[in-house]
Amino acid sequence: QVQLVQSGAEVKKPGASVKVSCKASGYTFTTYAVHWVRQAPGQRLEWMGWINPGNGNTKYSQKFQGRLTITTDTSASTAYMELSSLTSEDTAVYYCARAGDTGDYLLYWGQGTVVTVSS
Amino acid sequence: DIVMTQSPDSLAVSLGERATINCKSSQSVLYSSNNKNYLAWYQLKPGQPPKLLIYWASTRESGVPDRFSGSGSGTDFTLTISSLQAEDVAVYYCQQYYTTPRTFGQGTKLEIK
Repeated sequence: QVQLVQSGAEVKKPGASVKVSCKASGYTFTTYAVHWVRQAPGQRLEWMGWINPGNGNTKYSQKFQGRLTITTDTSASTAYMELSSLTSEDTAVYYCARAGDTGDYLLYWGQGTVVTVSS
Repeated sequence: DIVMTQSPDSLAVSLGERATINCKSSQSVLYSSNNKNYLAWYQLKPGQPPKLLIYWASTRESGVPDRFSGSGSGTDFTLTISSLQAEDVAVYYCQQYYTTPRTFGQGTKLEIK
């Protein structure tokens, strides 16, 4: 069965970077894009961007341009989300997700990674 | 960006009663070439990742109870829970996947009256 397993919680200082991993199993990793979505406390879900592991193409939300880098290691079936220049507003739960077979709705989700930014 | 607006922000419904959540997009998410609405609904419970309930505005995901249904087209959509169960207490989000950036509604918190 499809599984997305994310790395553990992180605590970072303002100005630092964080890198969260998402290991996929149960399907051919290069066949489906991996999305990253976050939810800050009291806020709505927020789409950050995606990567096509098959060719490495990425698409980022304009909000995160210049601070967000999404990569993959296809040999390890793992996607990575790196966010730099962290502020307290980046404190959130970060999710990776995969689309379904017939469209880009998000069917499979990782368990979430809590990132806390605090001095 | 397409702005997704849900109503109400919160809702309290008695067990066994109907719950209705609305979602409005700032522009149409209906793709004319395939006549599909690029609209999904998710359920979010504390400590869990979002769960896909409905996609293509009205297609129920496998394993989702049939008391959940989606309707609407273009810019106006509705999620209906026909007979509220205790386990349905959650926050519900609509999301458009018509274009990037993908955008979500602000969420509707559903509680038991």
